[in-house]
Amino acid sequence: AQSVTQLGSHVSVSEGALVLLRCNYSSSVPPYLFWYVQYPNQGLQLLLKYTTGATLVKGINGFEAEFKKSETSFHLTKPSAHMSDAAEYFCAVSDDFGNEKLTFGTGTRLTIIP
Amino acid sequence: DSGVTQTPKHLITATGQRVTLRCSPRSGDLSVYWYQQSLDQGLQFLIQYYNGEERAKGNILERFSAQQFPDLHSELNLSSLELGDSALYFCASSPEARNPGTEAFFGQGTRLTVV
Repeated sequence: AQSVTQLGSHVSVSEGALVLLRCNYSSSVPPYLFWYVQYPNQGLQLLLKYTTGATLVKGINGFEAEFKKSETSFHLTKPSAHMSDAAEYFCAVSDDFGNEKLTFGTGTRLTIIP
Repeated sequence: DSGVTQTPKHLITATGQRVTLRCSPRSGDLSVYWYQQSLDQGLQFLIQYYNGEERAKGNILERFSAQQFPDLHSELNLSSLELGDSALYFCASSPEARNPGTEAFFGQGTRLTVV
């Protein structure tokens, strides 16, 4: 069964610094990978997704992620953190072909230091 | 605003009771998913419906059931509630099925507190 592991339940970065949130996946088939963001008292919003094709995926709010099959990773990055990026971030993988249910990681809470 | 509407936003009820959570998907979306978010279990998939039929089942307890109606709204029924059922319950919708790359749009959730 597919699964994802997010390294670091809490990450703090200074405003303007690089954001790096780590996600490793386990999948027996080519995975479909997602990053979702959850702001306080809100639902989840899709940041970006990898299905097929280009391994560097650009998303909303300046985030991007690179699919690295050799490392089974899908880390999320943003060159310069903004205060509004403070939120919880979830990496997710969808089921093997034929099912769209998502298996989520445990989440990483991102804090931005002014 | 994702276009997915969940009601109620908050629910407080006693152990042993039964509650119904309601979800209206985005206009035109045929798939509805239910997820549970709790501190100890994280975000867990419960069940998926597509155009009125159950499509996939996750770690959903036997005390829980769901259905999707002809107008495509969905209800999640939780019965014989226990303290451990306290969680945030999310509904999500997507336009299709059999496409694991499709984006799911999430509602703002129903926070259930069992006392």
